[in-house]
Amino acid sequence: AQSVTQPDIHITVSEGASLELRCNYSYGATPYLFWYVQSPGQGLQLLLKYFSGDTLVQGIKGFEAEFKRSQSSFNLRKPSVHWSDAAEYFCAVFNTNAGKSTFGDGTTLTVKP
Amino acid sequence: GAGVSQSPSNKVTEKGKDVELRCDPISGHTALYWYRQSLGQGLEFLIYFQGNSAPDKSGLPSDRFSAERTGGSVSTLTIQRTQQEDSAVYLCASSFRGQGPDTQYFGPGTRLTVL
Repeated sequence: AQSVTQPDIHITVSEGASLELRCNYSYGATPYLFWYVQSPGQGLQLLLKYFSGDTLVQGIKGFEAEFKRSQSSFNLRKPSVHWSDAAEYFCAVFNTNAGKSTFGDGTTLTVKP
Repeated sequence: GAGVSQSPSNKVTEKGKDVELRCDPISGHTALYWYRQSLGQGLEFLIYFQGNSAPDKSGLPSDRFSAERTGGSVSTLTIQRTQQEDSAVYLCASSFRGQGPDTQYFGPGTRLTVL
C-alpha cells in the first residue's frame, strides 16, 4: 500500500532564511508526486508536481522540489522564506491504479519576523 | 476560470440531524473527490467519482455517509444522523481524468460543526 510520511509536524524559520520540508513516500510503481499549501481557512493550492523528466521541479511562489528515487523522497525547498509562506504544507502521491491520492499528515510552517 | 466551489462554507448542526454538502467542480473535469480533514489532521479520502459512478467508496467512514454525482457535474455528500465526531472540514477536489495521473484542484471546503 502506498503511504506518504512528512516527518516534521511543525517547522519554524526566520523570514529570509532557507526552507526545506521533507517528504518520503512508499509506492511500488512510478510515483506521481505533489506538494500543496493550505493557508488558514482555505482549501489546498497546488504548489508543484512531478510526473517524469527533470527531477528538480519548479513551482509557484518560488518553491522547488527535488525527486530522489534512491531515497524515496520529494523534499520541498525555498531559498528565502517570506512571512506570507506561513501555512500548512502537504505532500501527496497519486496512485494511477486506484485513481486517488494519498496525502501526508502535513507540516505546519511558522515564519518568525 | 471558476475554480471548485463548495457550499455551505460553514454548517452548524445538532447531533442526530442530517446534512448535505455540495460541490461544484471545475467545468469539464471528469473526476471528483471528497476528503475529510479533522482538526490538526491530514486529509482522509472518502470517495471519488469518475463521471457519475463511484469506483471507490472505501473511505466512507460508515453507512451514515453517502454521496452522489449527477450529470457528471455537481456532487452532494450526505451525512445522516450526524455525530460529534463528524465535525471536520470537508474538502472537494476535481480533476480531468486522462491517461496519466490526475492533478486535483481543491475547493475551499465546508466546515461542519456538530453540537
